[in-house]
Amino acid sequence: GQQVMQIPQYQHVQEGEDFTTYCNSSTTLSNIQWYKQRPGGHPVFLIQLVKSGEVKKQKRLTFQFGEAKKNSSLHITATQTTDVGTYFCAVKPPYGGSQGNLIFGKGTKLSVKP
Amino acid sequence: DAGVIQSPRHEVTEMGQEVTLRCKPISGHDYLFWYRQTMMRGLELLIYFNNNVPIDDSGMPEDRFSAKMPNASFSTLKIQPSEPRDSAVYFCASRLSGGSYEQYFGPGTRLTVT
Repeated sequence: GQQVMQIPQYQHVQEGEDFTTYCNSSTTLSNIQWYKQRPGGHPVFLIQLVKSGEVKKQKRLTFQFGEAKKNSSLHITATQTTDVGTYFCAVKPPYGGSQGNLIFGKGTKLSVKP
Repeated sequence: DAGVIQSPRHEVTEMGQEVTLRCKPISGHDYLFWYRQTMMRGLELLIYFNNNVPIDDSGMPEDRFSAKMPNASFSTLKIQPSEPRDSAVYFCASRLSGGSYEQYFGPGTRLTVT
């Protein structure tokens, strides 16, 4: 079935350093979503990417969708302690499968040392 | 909007007991999802409903788990009998059909089975 691989699983950074997490698929994706889950919290939608090569920015966060629509990245510039949490990518299942849900990656857990 | 509401927020029970988790989706949303999250397995989709009808329950671990959605504003996830390995955080999420597939998660129920 459809799977998305997220790397790295964990990332520890010093406050002010940059951070990037990657999401990779073996098949072409129709779109990709990113969610953030704070410690003790629930996943919260950040953004959706749809177009090949799309780049979107939210303040210090930059989201990219690969040209082949098989991978995506989330980059945080100059991390802050408020960025701590787990970042998930999520994709729609491939055609022929159950179409109403999303498939979530395992997530990248980010810790930031002040 | 109140968002997705889940109850209880925390549940501690003994092995063999029945556990019922409750969810109220966002008003007007016609998709409802139940997830389980553990450190080992990440975020797993258990079952989802569309217009109160179960669409895909392939993620339900075994017959001890059952879910119902008697109306558009209420769903339950029941575990009977509960086992220690069921200890996890259970999330309910909802979304509106069409559009971006963005899911809105509830705060979760932390279940501990001793």
